[in-house]
Amino acid sequence: DAGVTQSPTHLIKTRGQHVTLRCSPISGHKSVSWYQQVLGQGPQFIFQYYEKEERGRGNFPDRFSARQFPNYSSELNVNALLLGDSALYLCASSWTDRDTEAFFGQGTRLTVV
Amino acid sequence: GNSVTQMEGPVTLSEEAFLTINCTYTATGYPSLFWYVQYPGEGLQLLLKATKADDKGSNKGFEATYRKETTSFHLEKGSVQVSDSAVYFCAPDYGGSQGNLIFGKGTKLSVKP
Repeated sequence: DAGVTQSPTHLIKTRGQHVTLRCSPISGHKSVSWYQQVLGQGPQFIFQYYEKEERGRGNFPDRFSARQFPNYSSELNVNALLLGDSALYLCASSWTDRDTEAFFGQGTRLTVV
Repeated sequence: GNSVTQMEGPVTLSEEAFLTINCTYTATGYPSLFWYVQYPGEGLQLLLKATKADDKGSNKGFEATYRKETTSFHLEKGSVQVSDSAVYFCAPDYGGSQGNLIFGKGTKLSVKP
């Protein structure tokens, strides 16, 4: 069975641009969460979606948004990119929004220049 | 708010040495406790977990015991291998949503032959 898959694996964007990151959860998992991991730090929670509804939001500006589709895949969008948005973006899936165990994808490495 | 503190790295050991990585968490509620591992260039993998006091989580030779009285969840391994070189994250989950899964800053372990 496939694990959590994220695309693309790497990308480079210019300041001010917009980016869309994609995540497909493990089959059967209905909850998807997004994390930002800056180099040398632990992951920071951005969003959680469950059954297409937002269930949690971390301390990130409104430039960050996300959505979940009927097939439970998800997109993370970031507008007006800043140099400080350069990070590894991780997606995690779980069966429900209250699961205590999350399964992580390989991440998308975003570099903003 | 909830927080977690883990031993700062980097930690450099010789093969077959004993490993301890300290982790303490805030005592709000009764969190489940996790250790995640991140190998170079990859996402996070769940290493082990414990959900109640005195539980011992174990996997791949690693162990950690849920110590409620000291609010600690130290990671140990009796004999490390070169393949254990990675970054280790302690993560208490205070429940309710993925936003309450709090990651430590990570401890980088390098094992030399």
